[in-house]
Amino acid sequence: AQKVTQAQTEISVVEKEDVTLDCVYETRDTTYYLFWYKQPPSGELVFLIRRNSFDEQNEISGRYSWNFQKSTSSFNFTITASQVVDSAVYFCALSEFLLKTSYDKVIFGPGTSLSVIP
Amino acid sequence: EAQVTQNPRYLITVTGKKLTVTCSQNMNHEYMSWYRQDPGLGLRQIYYSMNVEVTDKGDVPEGYKVSRKEKRNFPLILESPSPNQTSLYFCASRAGQWTGELFFGEGSRLTVL
Repeated sequence: AQKVTQAQTEISVVEKEDVTLDCVYETRDTTYYLFWYKQPPSGELVFLIRRNSFDEQNEISGRYSWNFQKSTSSFNFTITASQVVDSAVYFCALSEFLLKTSYDKVIFGPGTSLSVIP
Repeated sequence: EAQVTQNPRYLITVTGKKLTVTCSQNMNHEYMSWYRQDPGLGLRQIYYSMNVEVTDKGDVPEGYKVSRKEKRNFPLILESPSPNQTSLYFCASRAGQWTGELFFGEGSRLTVL
């Protein structure tokens, strides 16, 4: 069965520190997509990145980077030189296509609340 | 501007009083979905719709109804709300492919007394 685990419930860092948010997933499929979403204090949900199961290249976007490792079923998110504006809840999500129903299924992890202290 | 619009944003109601949370998207997306967000549980899917007149249950459908009569609208109906439906609700849409990212509304915070 699908499952997404974000073991870190809350993290606090001091501004300019690096921080890594962990995401571990479970799936039986070989084809799936992984996502990260950000929920700032204002409450909206913002898409950050998508990665498919066949692309294990790490990705960097400014201060953000993502490390996808199929061998450990992990898709971790690192913020370098954190800033106060990075304070938010971050959700990891897994999407896979269900042949049985011809529909897809998106499962979200419980989220990690990141606080960046000035 | 591409967006998903939910209304109301905040609502306090009483047990048993029917209510509807509206959701509308202007991106011509085929797929729409409702989630509820509760502390420690992340987002859980209530219902989703692959297209007009095609809807199906998500993980926590009990106590909710939906309809998809038009492509742009996907209202969430609570026929007889109960306190355990107090939550933050999000509507989301996506272009048809399952590989795409979700676009979320701003959320509707519902309190059932």
